This record gives sequence, structure tokens and C-alpha cells, in this order.
Amino acid sequence: GAGVSQSPSNKVTEKGKDVELRCDPISGHTALYWYRQSLGQGLEFLIYFQGNSAPDKSGLPSDRFSAERTGGSVSTLTIQRTQQEDSAVYLCASSLAGGRANQPQHFGDGTRLSIL
Amino acid sequence: DQQVKQNSPSLSVQEGRISILNCDYTNSMFDYFLWYKKYPAEGPTFLISISSIKDKNEDGRFTVFLNKSAKHLSLHIVPSQPGDSAVYFCAARWSGGGADGLTFGKGTHLIIQP
Repeated sequence: GAGVSQSPSNKVTEKGKDVELRCDPISGHTALYWYRQSLGQGLEFLIYFQGNSAPDKSGLPSDRFSAERTGGSVSTLTIQRTQQEDSAVYLCASSLAGGRANQPQHFGDGTRLSIL
Repeated sequence: DQQVKQNSPSLSVQEGRISILNCDYTNSMFDYFLWYKKYPAEGPTFLISISSIKDKNEDGRFTVFLNKSAKHLSLHIVPSQPGDSAVYFCAARWSGGGADGLTFGKGTHLIIQP
């Protein structure tokens, strides 16, 4: 499809396990973003990639969270030693450009992560 | 410290009437504003945006108004249709800030009554 694709759509795992979430942005979009939405909350910004580099990691909640992007395309968000408070919907978005260019971000349908 | 606020958690409007969703922000550096619509179990869908150099932007049934002095924006939907029932998020960004993530409000659940 032409939109942002995320996998898996749902993930249930035990506390303490590591999880990896994947995002495939819209073709040609150089900017990629990760957000999360906890129950009853708005979307919380996590990290931004321009190409393969992440100039802004300010939103990552702890050092258990990391993300990478390779080939200027697919990105993975990894959460190590998951905790129950990590349960949320993790959303990925992409846009044509980041930085000073004001381009709308287009979102995938998210990964619903549940930590038991 | 919420920089983008949507003070109405829900709003009910009759089909065919105007829906007005409101959003306030505190950060005067924000210069780009967006509205997203979200259905359950789906990601947010971009609706309309406005740059701070404008005070109005229109796209079909959707119009966004920006009042910079009041740090307030609103989304008007005319006429409202049943398919408009969804959660609407207001978002803002400072293009010169280096932090490229959008700052979102907590959303307003719009319910269109037949």
C-alpha cells in the first residue's frame, strides 16, 4: 500500500522481555517519527529521523528505548527489559521532509503493545 | 505542562450542523498547526494544517482558523456528517526548534447525531 506500514499490529509480552517494533514509511519520505499513546492520553513524541540519523532523541523515556533507521527507509523501535508502564500504542509517522519544512506527518495504524 | 490543550473531551452535534472544535496553546514559538482525525484502532489521519503566517485555511468542508494573539485555533466542519464521528487531535510544531516532533492535545471526541 501507499501508506505508513507498521508491524506487528498487536504484541503481548511478559515483563522483562525485549520487543522490536517495525515501521515502513511512505516511499520517498525522508523524515520518520515515533510516538506513543498511552490510555487516555494524547500522542507523546519519542524520536525523529532525518534520513538515517536521529537529530532529536529528546522524547525517549529511558535508556531502555532505542531506535534505528537503515537505508533511509525502514525503522525499528526497540524496548529492552519491558515494564508494564510501556504498555501503549506505538505510532510511526513519516513526512516528505523535516527540519524547517512544514510538511504534514502521515501516520500508520500503530502497534498495540501490552506488557503482562 | 500541557502546551496544547483541547478542553472539551467530547462534543455532540446534529448532522448537517456546524461542528466547532477548539484548541489552545501556550508556546508562542509554535508556527505550524495541524488537525488530525482518528477512528478506533487506526492511526491519526491528517485533515488540514495552517502556518502562523495565515489566519484561515479552508479545504472542502473543513476550515481552520488561527488567532495568534489569543493562542487559539479552531476547526470548523460544515456540514457535519455521520462519518465525521471520531476523535480529533490538534497538534503544533515550532519549525525552528530542532525538535521535530508534533505536540498534541489530548483530543476531542466528536459525535454526530442523526
